Amino acid sequence: QLQLVESGGGVVPPGGSLRLSCAASGFTFSNFAMHWVRQVPGRGLVWLSLIWHDGSNKYQADAVKGRFTISRDNSKNTLYLDMNNLRAEDTAVYYCARAFPPPGYHYYYMDVWGRGTTVTVSS
Amino acid sequence: DIQMTQFPPTLSGSVGDRVTITCRASQSVDSWLAWYQQKPGKAPKLLIFKASSLEYGVPSRFSGSGFGTDFTLTISSLQPDDFATYFCHQYHTYPQTFGQGTKVDI
Repeated sequence: QLQLVESGGGVVPPGGSLRLSCAASGFTFSNFAMHWVRQVPGRGLVWLSLIWHDGSNKYQADAVKGRFTISRDNSKNTLYLDMNNLRAEDTAVYYCARAFPPPGYHYYYMDVWGRGTTVTVSS
Repeated sequence: DIQMTQFPPTLSGSVGDRVTITCRASQSVDSWLAWYQQKPGKAPKLLIFKASSLEYGVPSRFSGSGFGTDFTLTISSLQPDDFATYFCHQYHTYPQTFGQGTKVDI
């Protein structure tokens, strides 16, 4: 069945770096754009970034521009989020989500979500 | 950025109630709006896309309406499984943005 599994979260000091991964299965990963979204527990959802199915185009939220980088390896069915210069306010649960519909459209919502991985930025 | 304002922030209901959640965008998003349900400790689940299209497998008691800046999510008859937090999401313009959420409790 359709599945997204995030990994790579953990505790990191302020200014540190982390790479999150999102392993996809049950669908043709290379046919879909992908999102990253985060959520502080008990708070709302915050969209971070989207990458097109082939990696040729990316969009980012201003709050993470220059610090976070989205990428993908379609040969490994894996999405990544490289996070640098982490701040306390980056502490959150990070979700990857499949963007729907498939390529050819401009407007992508999230139809399948992973369970999330927790990032804690603390000294 | 497009601001999404949801209200009410909390809604108390009983099984069988008809409930409506409102989401207002700071500028038009046409019909590019989705609704998600989230339960504690779980990932969000897609309910509605393109303002009024029901996601496959979602019960028909859920419905969405609206266009432009004003949208609603309606649950026609609240069920025990529906007590959760609901978020609207605009995907018309980057950065995509979510409403603050509406918690539906007993």
